[in-house]
Amino acid sequence: GAVVSQHPSRVICKSGTSVKIECRSLDFQATTMFWYRQFPKQSLMLMATSNEGSKATYEQGVEKDKFLINHASLTLSTLTVTSAHPEDSSFYICSAKISGRVYNEQFFGPGTRLTVL
Amino acid sequence: KQEVTQIPAALSVPEGENLVLNCSFTDSAIYNLQWFRQDPGKGLTSLLLIQSSQREQTSGRLNASLDKSSGRSTLYIAASQPGDSATYLCAVRGGGSQGNLIFGKGTKLSVKP
Repeated sequence: GAVVSQHPSRVICKSGTSVKIECRSLDFQATTMFWYRQFPKQSLMLMATSNEGSKATYEQGVEKDKFLINHASLTLSTLTVTSAHPEDSSFYICSAKISGRVYNEQFFGPGTRLTVL
Repeated sequence: KQEVTQIPAALSVPEGENLVLNCSFTDSAIYNLQWFRQDPGKGLTSLLLIQSSQREQTSGRLNASLDKSSGRSTLYIAASQPGDSATYLCAVRGGGSQGNLIFGKGTKLSVKP
């Protein structure tokens, strides 16, 4: 199956700093990547959808200036949490859709645990 | 607005038992439905994908059914094993092939040896 990787797997930072999370599709090209956020015992909530070479589409209530998304190539998308605060602490998961796949199956990365002190 | 509900929230069974996890959704106009497995602190592993025109899909000891008209799906796990312990998430895709996945909160399964 298709493999999606994320780096780092875990990050602890001080309040006010910025954190970048990378998402890569390892063995396929992904024209569309998705960023989700998951709080303990809660559903995955879609934050934004990014298409290679264009601006990301953010879900309602997600601050685009706080969560910067770049999808510069067909295999890499990055999420930067700017000026992180303790309430940004969460589990961030990226997902990628294979170009041209009929059923639009999504493949998920292993997630990044962000803790803001 | 599509809402996905999974019942029960948690389930504990002895090894070897067959079990059923339930998923319901409020808007029957879905494109497809996926079942995922999530281990603690990990990402999601896709288990089964059912297109809206299909009634069921099988993979090994797993069988997923879909009744679109009633807004229900079930995941049947046969002969459960301790390694099946994980959280199982149901997600539906609406709005055509480009619609987003809407997730339930999951069922946390514990299989006791």
